[in-house]
Amino acid sequence: KAGVTQTPRYLIKTRGQQVTLSCSPISGHRSVSWYQQTPGQGLQFLFEYFSETQRNKGNFPGRFSGRQFSNSRSEMNVSTLELGDSALYLCASRQGLTNTEAFFGQGTRLTVV
Amino acid sequence: DQQVKQNSPSLSVQEGRISILNCDYTNSMFDYFLWYKKYPAEGPTFLISISSIKDKNEDGRFTVFLNKSAKHLSLHIVPSQPGDSAVYFCAASLLSGNTPLVFGKGTRLSVIA
Repeated sequence: KAGVTQTPRYLIKTRGQQVTLSCSPISGHRSVSWYQQTPGQGLQFLFEYFSETQRNKGNFPGRFSGRQFSNSRSEMNVSTLELGDSALYLCASRQGLTNTEAFFGQGTRLTVV
Repeated sequence: DQQVKQNSPSLSVQEGRISILNCDYTNSMFDYFLWYKKYPAEGPTFLISISSIKDKNEDGRFTVFLNKSAKHLSLHIVPSQPGDSAVYFCAASLLSGNTPLVFGKGTRLSVIA
C-alpha cells in the first residue's frame, strides 16, 4: 500500500507570491490534515478535510487555505507569502475522523526569500 | 495556549541506558495519546499509543505510561540505541470526537554510543 505522497518536496518562492502544495493520502483514507513545522514550534495544525469538507481549522490567517477533492487528494494554498511562512508543511491521512492514528508524508520544505 | 507540552527540548542518553521522554497536557477531555518519531527531512512516523482506559502500553523496547490525575505521560525506551536519535513528538486527541491531533513541540533525543 503506498504511503502519503506530498509534492513537491522542496520549493523556493519570493515574498508576495502564492504557492500550492499537494497531498495524496493512503488509499482508502478519507481524512487529510495539514501541519506546519517550524524550528522550536513543533507541529502546528492548519486544517483537516474529510469528504471534501473542512472539518477543523487551526489558528492561521486566511492566507492559508485548502481543499479536498472527491478522490481524497488535498491541496493547500498560501497566498501573499511572507518570510515567516518558511517551514516544513506536513500532510497526514487517517481512515476517518475517529481513527486517530495519522500517517504522515515526507513534507514539502517551503523557503520564502 | 499550548494544550500539549514537552518541556525538555533535548535529551542525551548513553547507548544501552533508558531514555525517558515526558509530556504534559492541559485538556482533561483528551483520551487518546500517541508518540511519533521524526528524523530530519522525513515525516513523523507513529511509534506507540495509549487510550485513557489504560495506564501502560508496551511495544518491544517502547513503553508509554499514562498518569491521568497528573495529566502526564512518558515514553520509555529501553535499551536506547543510536538509531533512536530523533525528535519525538507527543500528541493527544479525543478518541470519539471529531478533533485533530494536537502535538507538543518535540524533544530531540541523542543516543551516544
